[in-house]
Amino acid sequence: NAGVTQTPKFQVLKTGQSMTLQCAQDMNHNSMYWYRQDPGMGLRLIYYSASEGTTDKGEVPNGYNVSRLNKREFSLRLESAAPSQTSVYFCASATGGNQPQHFGDGTRLSIL
Amino acid sequence: QKEVEQNSGPLSVPEGAIASLNCTYSDRGSQSFFWYRQYSGKSPELIMFIYSNGDKEDGRFTAQLNKASQYVSLLIRDSQPSDSATYLCAVGDSGAGSYQLTFGKGTKLSVIP
Repeated sequence: NAGVTQTPKFQVLKTGQSMTLQCAQDMNHNSMYWYRQDPGMGLRLIYYSASEGTTDKGEVPNGYNVSRLNKREFSLRLESAAPSQTSVYFCASATGGNQPQHFGDGTRLSIL
Repeated sequence: QKEVEQNSGPLSVPEGAIASLNCTYSDRGSQSFFWYRQYSGKSPELIMFIYSNGDKEDGRFTAQLNKASQYVSLLIRDSQPSDSATYLCAVGDSGAGSYQLTFGKGTKLSVIP
């Protein structure tokens, strides 16, 4: 079982470039999430999708957009990357609200 | 701003001892509580979850919840060097069907052989 799959695993961008991080889950989960993790800051929610067709902002949405492409896939887009967006990005999924979330392996993103 | 507080550690325990990890939260209406283990350079891995006051046991792990004190803990019995990791406490927002979790910054546990 693959669980939650994120691509790419590593990426280096230049300031101002755009990029889309991909996430897919094969657990038939309804809700999906994007987090970033920075040293000393813990995990912070960027956006989430409670169910197919819906998306909502989390704690730190500025500079990001998301698309819930279908029930399996939830992508995160950086339109104009900034050095402050250097981070490790995790995608997670869950059956629904107040349920355990399961994480992908992460994408390590550096913006120069 | 909802807050989840954990002692950053490091918490050092000898092999075979009980490790006790603690977490307090600010949202009195929170209904769901989770513990994740994260090895260095890896993703968070779900260890335990608990919804009701009291204890919940799974193998060597016990989660304890006290909603009146807004306190949740994780006990690891017979600690092993492989338990050395950072443990993240996560608390669900209040309200039925809430989707957001607030994570603590984690406690680093070191089990000494």
